[in-house]
Amino acid sequence: DQQVKQNSPSLSVQEGRISILNCDYTNSMFDYFLWYKKYPAEGPTFLISISSIKDKNEDGRFTVFLNKSAKHLSLHIVPSQPGDSAVYFCAASARGNSGYSTLTFGKGTMLLVSP
Amino acid sequence: KAGVTQTPRYLIKTRGQQVTLSCSPISGHRSVSWYQQTPGQGLQFLFEYFSETQRNKGNFPGRFSGRQFSNSRSEMNVSTLELGDSALYLCASSSPRELQETQYFGPGTRLLVL
Repeated sequence: DQQVKQNSPSLSVQEGRISILNCDYTNSMFDYFLWYKKYPAEGPTFLISISSIKDKNEDGRFTVFLNKSAKHLSLHIVPSQPGDSAVYFCAASARGNSGYSTLTFGKGTMLLVSP
Repeated sequence: KAGVTQTPRYLIKTRGQQVTLSCSPISGHRSVSWYQQTPGQGLQFLFEYFSETQRNKGNFPGRFSGRQFSNSRSEMNVSTLELGDSALYLCASSSPRELQETQYFGPGTRLLVL
C-alpha cells in the first residue's frame, strides 16, 4: 500500500516557465512533508519542507503548497532552469508506534527543463 | 560542516556473499537511517538507529541488519546476497534538536550483485 504517491513519473517544462510537481498521500497521521531533489549517482538533496500547521512555505524559487483536506501537496519551481532537471521525491513523516518519526517516500518525478 | 559520507561508493559482490556498508553522519547528528533505492521502487526504508539503538525498522528480511557506534557512525550488513539486492543504498542523518527531523542524505553506495 503506497502511502505517498507521485502519479507523474516525468514532467517536461521549458526554461523560464513554472514547474509544478504533485504528490498525494493517504495517511492522515503525516504531519511533516519534504521535497528532495536527486541527480543520478548522488544522494537526495533536501529542498524544502512544510509542517501540517501551514499551507504554504516559500524558499527562493521553490514554494510548497499543502492542502490537508485533499491530502495533496505540490512543489512549484519558478522560474524553471535547466539545472533543475533531476528526479524530485516527495516524502512525508509521521510519528510511528515507537514515538519516533520515519520518512515515507514517493517514487519520484523526473523533471526535464529544456532551454 | 561536512555532510554525510558513505563508503565504499561502489561495490561488486556475488550471490551468497555478505557485504558491510559504512555511514558517517553529519557532526552532531545522532540519528542514522538507511534506505534502499531500486529502479521503479523509490526509496524504501530499511531501519533507523539512534544512540546505538534500532528504533524503527522497515519491511526487509533478517538478512539486512545494522548497528550504530557510540560516535554515531553506522554500518549496514547484508548477508547471503541475492541478485535482487542490487541497489543504491542510502544513508541519512538527522538531528533530534530540530523541531521536525529533516534527513540529510549521503551520496550512497551502489551495490551490484552478480
